[in-house]
Amino acid sequence: EAGVAQSPRYKIIEKRQSVAFWCNPISGHATLYWYQQILGQGPKLLIQFQNNGVVDDSQLPKDRFSAERLKGVDSTLKIQPAKLEDSAVYLCASSLGVGGWTDTEAFFGQGTRLTVV
Amino acid sequence: AQSVTQLDSHVSVSEGTPVLLRCNYSSSYSPSLFWYVQHPNKGLQLLLKYTSAATLVKGINGFEAEFKKSETSFHLTKPSAHMSDAAEYFCVVSDPYTGNQFYFGTGTSLTVIP
Repeated sequence: EAGVAQSPRYKIIEKRQSVAFWCNPISGHATLYWYQQILGQGPKLLIQFQNNGVVDDSQLPKDRFSAERLKGVDSTLKIQPAKLEDSAVYLCASSLGVGGWTDTEAFFGQGTRLTVV
Repeated sequence: AQSVTQLDSHVSVSEGTPVLLRCNYSSSYSPSLFWYVQHPNKGLQLLLKYTSAATLVKGINGFEAEFKKSETSFHLTKPSAHMSDAAEYFCVVSDPYTGNQFYFGTGTSLTVIP
């Protein structure tokens, strides 16, 4: 079974530039998540999609971050303009379950390491 | 609201000795609980999960965890540490009935001394 695919693996940009990350979840997984993992910390949920609708984006800095999941499959996360504190690993995950499913876990991609200089 | 607290940010053990990584959770409902491992420059890998079945859960690589509702704990153990166990470990809580978000603890860094 193919895993969660993310690209690019690494990205270096200057502050105030824009950047986009792409994620292809496991086939058939209804739920897709974007997490931000700052060095030395646990991953923090940015946004959760169920199919192509947003379930939770309460921790997404909407003044600079945006995300979409067109057609309920692939997703992109964009930052514009980037700040130094956005330097982190951005993880995409997918899950088979939707609300009410108990026997489900999240499968994670390798992540995109963003460095803002 | 759901959250997890990992009680130790760093744990150091000698090879061949037991491992104990502690996790307490907070959840309004009956949660699902997970342990993930992250090796340097690698992705997050699921070690084991509790989803309201047996309270003692066995995972990969000899790890296991016990769900104790009275103590709101889900500690991870392994009888004998290997060098390859050195990594970052995350306790994760999810409530499938309120949206299935996965909330991570701050992580425990495990060092294995030869």
